[in-house]
Amino acid sequence: YDLIQPPSVSVSPGQTARITCSGDALPVKYAYWYQQKSGLAPVLVMYEDKKRASGIPERFSGSSSGTVATLIISGAQVEDEADYYCFSTDGTGYLYLFGTGTKVTVL
Amino acid sequence: EVRLVQSGGGLVQPGRSLRLSCAASGFNFNRSWMTWVRQAPGKGLECVANIKYDGSEEFYVDSVRGRFIVSRDNARNSVFLQMDSLRGDDTGVYYCARGYLSMDLWGQGTTVTVSS
Repeated sequence: YDLIQPPSVSVSPGQTARITCSGDALPVKYAYWYQQKSGLAPVLVMYEDKKRASGIPERFSGSSSGTVATLIISGAQVEDEADYYCFSTDGTGYLYLFGTGTKVTVL
Repeated sequence: EVRLVQSGGGLVQPGRSLRLSCAASGFNFNRSWMTWVRQAPGKGLECVANIKYDGSEEFYVDSVRGRFIVSRDNARNSVFLQMDSLRGDDTGVYYCARGYLSMDLWGQGTTVTVSS
C-alpha cells in the first residue's frame, strides 16, 4: 500500500498551494499532515483530514474526497517552505505509513 | 515542560545492536501511544514502530520486524527501541513521537549510522 504525493509544488508568496495525497484506503481512513523544515523534527499540521493542529495558522486547511486528501495553504508565506508528508493507515488499520513527501517552495 | 528527550544513537557496525531511549516529561505518558519514526539521509519519513500506552499492542514496519523491539517503562516515563542485526539501510535519524496517528510532540532526533 502506498500514499502518493507530488514530489514538488512551487508557488509565489500569497498564492495558494495544494498538496495532494492519493491512497486507496483514504475513503475510509483519515489523513494526517506533517511539515518538516530542513534539519528539524516534523510538526503536526492537520489531523483527521481537516482539523488544524494547535498553533497552526489559519491559512492551512485540509480536505478529503474519495481516494485523495489535500492540504491547502491559502496565501502561502516564505516560512511555509518545507517538506510536507501525509500519513495514514491501510484498509486494515495495521499498516502505518507516510506519503512520499512533497517539497513546497514559496518564491 | 512538555517534551521528549532522546538518547542512544551513534555509529555501529553492521550486525551489531543499539538501543534508543526517549524520556517523556510534562504529560501523562502512561495514557499515550508512542511511535518511532526514522528518516534515511535525503529520504522521506518512515514509521518504524509504535506501542500502545499499556504496552499491549505493537506495530512494526516489515523491514524491521524480527530485528527491532519497541518497549516502554511507564514508571520511568520512557520508551525504547532495541535494534538488533543492524544493516546499512537502518542508517538515519530516528525520532520518537507522542501518538500513533496524530503525533503532536516529537523528540529532537538521534542519528544512527550503521557502517564498518
